[in-house]
Amino acid sequence: EVQLLESGGGLVQPGGSLRLSCAASGFTFSNYAMNWVRQAPGQGLEWVSALTDTGDDTYHADSVKGRFTISRDNSKNTLYLQMNSLRAEDTALYYCAKAPSTSSVRHFDYWGQGTLVTVSS
Amino acid sequence: EIVLTQSPVTLSLSPGERATLSCRASQSVSSYLAWYQQKPGQAPRLLIYGASNRATGIPARFSGSGSGTDFTLTISSLEPEDFAVYYCQQRTNSQALTFGGGTKVEIK
Repeated sequence: EVQLLESGGGLVQPGGSLRLSCAASGFTFSNYAMNWVRQAPGQGLEWVSALTDTGDDTYHADSVKGRFTISRDNSKNTLYLQMNSLRAEDTALYYCAKAPSTSSVRHFDYWGQGTLVTVSS
Repeated sequence: EIVLTQSPVTLSLSPGERATLSCRASQSVSSYLAWYQQKPGQAPRLLIYGASNRATGIPARFSGSGSGTDFTLTISSLEPEDFAVYYCQQRTNSQALTFGGGTKVEIK
């Protein structure tokens, strides 16, 4: 059974940093592209970042480009999101989401339950 | 950036009725469109990918159609567990993915 377990969320002040993790199990992690998708309270879904199976290629939404960095450790079956220069508008539930392919992300076939990030002073 | 517009925002129906949800893209996305269902307090669940392919374990009452800029998700006969929010999502060559604003299917 595919499982994605996010952690690392919490309360952080504007301008601060946070690193999210996503522990994967139930599939061969190194064979699939992975993503972060977020959802602000009471709002819709927003894709944040993606990276390929090897981690060689990464992609970020314009809203986080230059501030967030996605990475992975295939030896630990773990996905990361380093978030710097956080803003109030980054407040959201952050989901880890698996793509059904190695590189080209067309959609997301499995999702974690999310970790909440709150940016507030 | 391609914008996805979903309509209606809210759909009020009774169990057993047919639900028709629309997703319109600001430019062609070919058949690279997916649909998700989200219930309160839960993560989204993939229903349809490639515009018309049901994901693993999804009941046959869910179907998707369309290509280019106009897409439809149809639930042939609503079950009590189908009342939820539905999102469409696209991705084209730019590797930027976008979601529609969602349609809430509520009990009438």
